[in-house]
Amino acid sequence: DSGVTQTPKHLITATGQRVTLRCSPRSGDLSVYWYQQSLDQGLQFLIQYYNGEERAKGNILERFSAQQFPDLHSELNLSSLELGDSALYFCASSVGLAGGNEQFFGPGTRLTVL
Amino acid sequence: GQQLNQSPQSMFIQEGEDVSMNCTSSSIFNTWLWYKQDPGEGPVLLIALYKAGELTSNGRLTAQFGITRKDSFLNISASIPSDVGIYFCAGNQRMDSSYKLIFGSGTRLLVRP
Repeated sequence: DSGVTQTPKHLITATGQRVTLRCSPRSGDLSVYWYQQSLDQGLQFLIQYYNGEERAKGNILERFSAQQFPDLHSELNLSSLELGDSALYFCASSVGLAGGNEQFFGPGTRLTVL
Repeated sequence: GQQLNQSPQSMFIQEGEDVSMNCTSSSIFNTWLWYKQDPGEGPVLLIALYKAGELTSNGRLTAQFGITRKDSFLNISASIPSDVGIYFCAGNQRMDSSYKLIFGSGTRLLVRP
């Protein structure tokens, strides 16, 4: 158990809909990262927050957005969903921003768009 | 974007054999991390490397941070069935005002009992 929690575990929805994925980082970690993993693909970095502020952006679509709340949990919002958005979405957390910080991953949310 | 070349793509070995996989990049990384992912689960951190030339072990796993800071390898000795999974390398690189992990494409390991 990494200490990172994600809900829900599974999500099935229809095209055009909007969903919210939730992540709680490990106790004491200030950074939260979101990744997308499509079938048999590697992990693609989406976005990072540190102590409530956005710090780095990867290949995140404009239809997607995220935020980190004062209690440090984070939410990833996916809107106008398309079939191609079906994937595993992982949250990871680390202590800080420094390049040596190890990232610990949650169990993921499997999103299926029908 | 930046790419990590991870090889081999897959390995099918006999229980008890040693395994070696590696990652190379055209870019320099500050940190190399190795993760293992079981199907439908999140990646689990195996080993973290912080300095060029560093050699670190974790049980039957050994990993090294290349001298040029552009490569890393992971060795698994005396493989067992529970080693089955996908192994990812990841390099930590500065981006904007922070750092991000860039992942290799993974090595799928199958172990024949």
